[in-house]
Amino acid sequence: DAGITQSPRHKVTETGTPVTLRCHQTENHRYMYWYRQDPGHGLRLIHYSYGVKDTDKGEVSDGYSVSRSKTEDFLLTLESATSSQTSVYFCASQPWLVSEQYFGPGTRLTVT
Amino acid sequence: GENVEQHPSTLSVQEGDSAVIKCTYSDSASNYFPWYKQELGKRPQLIIDIRSNVGEKKDQRIAVTLNKTAKHFSLHITETQPEDSAVYFCAAFNAGGTSYGKLTFGQGTILTVHP
Repeated sequence: DAGITQSPRHKVTETGTPVTLRCHQTENHRYMYWYRQDPGHGLRLIHYSYGVKDTDKGEVSDGYSVSRSKTEDFLLTLESATSSQTSVYFCASQPWLVSEQYFGPGTRLTVT
Repeated sequence: GENVEQHPSTLSVQEGDSAVIKCTYSDSASNYFPWYKQELGKRPQLIIDIRSNVGEKKDQRIAVTLNKTAKHFSLHITETQPEDSAVYFCAAFNAGGTSYGKLTFGQGTILTVHP
């Protein structure tokens, strides 16, 4: 599975609290992505990174921020969690520009 | 931005039959089209991909075809087996002439293969 992990795997939090999800890869891949998966919507891109400190927004970035201070780590932060952010979050890494994306195991986040 | 439409949303077949899933994309600059399989509770995993300079690619029981003119691509699974039951996602990759890019996914197809 390309050495990509996510933590935590499950989290329940209350509305209004900050949450940080971590994605860690050991493959030295340049590109990393955060998606959310909801029934009927497939995988939707939240943010992505094309290098250390280089990030850009995806199609559903409102309410989320990211940081990448090291090649191996890509953090997703929900500044103030809302119930609409209840979802399964997947990160992915990609070695070069046009290539396979390798997905992490996912984090199930529930905002009550 | 890119938009990927995937059909059907659900597909039920008998073991041994063929299954076909179709996708259309909107941006002619997209140049890489992967297909992912996601089993229940698992992560998506690549099963086959095709680049825009190729019209067809085959790997054992699965094949993908690409029609750049019509901007559509399809996944074909022959001799289906119960273990093929999963959600399948198509995607289109677009770098827009930069050194970075992103995948846009279709909505997914739930394939059920009945023994």
